[in-house]
Amino acid sequence: DTEVTQTPKHLVMGMTNKKSLKCEQHMGHRAMYWYKQKAKKPPELMFVYSYEKLSINESVPSRFSPECPNSSLLNLHLHALQPEDSALYLCASSQDLSSRNEKLFFGSGTQLSVL
Amino acid sequence: QQQVKQSPQSLIVQKGGIPIINCAYENTAFDYFPWYQQFPGKGPALLIAIRPDVSEKKEGRFTISFNKSAKQFSLHIMDSQPGDSATYFCAASGVGNQGGKLIFGQGTELSVKP
Repeated sequence: DTEVTQTPKHLVMGMTNKKSLKCEQHMGHRAMYWYKQKAKKPPELMFVYSYEKLSINESVPSRFSPECPNSSLLNLHLHALQPEDSALYLCASSQDLSSRNEKLFFGSGTQLSVL
Repeated sequence: QQQVKQSPQSLIVQKGGIPIINCAYENTAFDYFPWYQQFPGKGPALLIAIRPDVSEKKEGRFTISFNKSAKQFSLHIMDSQPGDSATYFCAASGVGNQGGKLIFGQGTELSVKP
């Protein structure tokens, strides 16, 4: 199984809502990532978890709150978002951060619209 | 220093043509150079990757050429097909670069006409 599964595929939320994005992988990977991608732009790194601990936070606003409950799951909790946060949110995983195999496996993403 | 510059922004070729996408980097600590392919509505998928100890790598119709002295690398797609129409991102990372954080180029939207 070389899949990274993200749910939901689409999400529309108001600026006062609280929602969560979910990501799951069963490849035994110990590094998991959240990326944000705007149309016609490259993915922008948001957070990296290594062995279920937050390793990198790219100065992301606190209205985005990541959580890694176990080695297979990654969540992104959303609260009080702004319309400019509308984007494709991608989850990815890799073997780990220290190996020489940096191959990232991406999910298909959650297309988020904030009204 | 952390940037990867990619060109062209968009590219249109006829079926069977050989599109070439170029990338350049500044940071000499980079030692891993992957290319990702992204179809609309999907996440990026690793296409092919190279390390600086080789100057060329082929996988099927896809070839990376790497010029370490010029700090440039490029993707060639042989016998391109309409199914290759996608956005292509080059990227770079280094072991010393925060555990392999990938720096992406800006992307090239490729269209292969039948």
